[in-house]
Amino acid sequence: SQQGEEDPQALSIQEGENATMNCSYKTSINNLQWYRQNSGRGLVHLILIRSNEREKHSGRLRVTLDTSKKSSSLLITASRAADTASYFCATDMNSGYSTLTFGKGTMLLVSP
Amino acid sequence: DTAVSQTPKYLVTQMGNDKSIKCEQNLGHDTMYWYKQDSKKFLKIMFSYNNKELIINETVPNRFSPKSPDKAHLNLHINSLELGDSAVYFCASSQDRDRGLTNYGYTFGSGTRLTVV
Repeated sequence: SQQGEEDPQALSIQEGENATMNCSYKTSINNLQWYRQNSGRGLVHLILIRSNEREKHSGRLRVTLDTSKKSSSLLITASRAADTASYFCATDMNSGYSTLTFGKGTMLLVSP
Repeated sequence: DTAVSQTPKYLVTQMGNDKSIKCEQNLGHDTMYWYKQDSKKFLKIMFSYNNKELIINETVPNRFSPKSPDKAHLNLHINSLELGDSAVYFCASSQDRDRGLTNYGYTFGSGTRLTVV
């Protein structure tokens, strides 16, 4: 069953602006991950945040996690045209082997 | 030096045919997966194998049969293809969570676009 739900479904911004995408999920998790997918390509892992972490940074990416609200956000600062892609959150539940359950994704368009 | 490679990249075939998609990873990962991405980009887990053993088998028609000859390979065979099987199929791999690594994100292949006509 679907776990993560991204919001918004689509986001259009200008280069240099920040982009924020949100993800909500339903059950207890071990960790939450964000992936990027360029058109016609596979998914690329961006960042992982564990359930006991609240914030994580990687370059221009900032991820937050609020387990009480079962939500996460991905912030891309100073966006570039090359950031144009679909972004997915994926939850890894707290049982057994790792299995990622993906949301429907946010399509980000960054215009020059 | 592709980490997760799957072949073919494109597959166009007629209804009723049987086809296979191959996947290989050279990362030494313990677990491999097959995901299906539909036309609305929704990704759904189909199967996962850990060290050649089937771990997850989601509600997938039994026309789909995964085979893992060794830890580095996970192939997907599909019998009696139907129009609704048209999608992009992704293979992925990951290291075991309990190995204590700080980052065990999945590594995805570039996908196989299957079109059934």
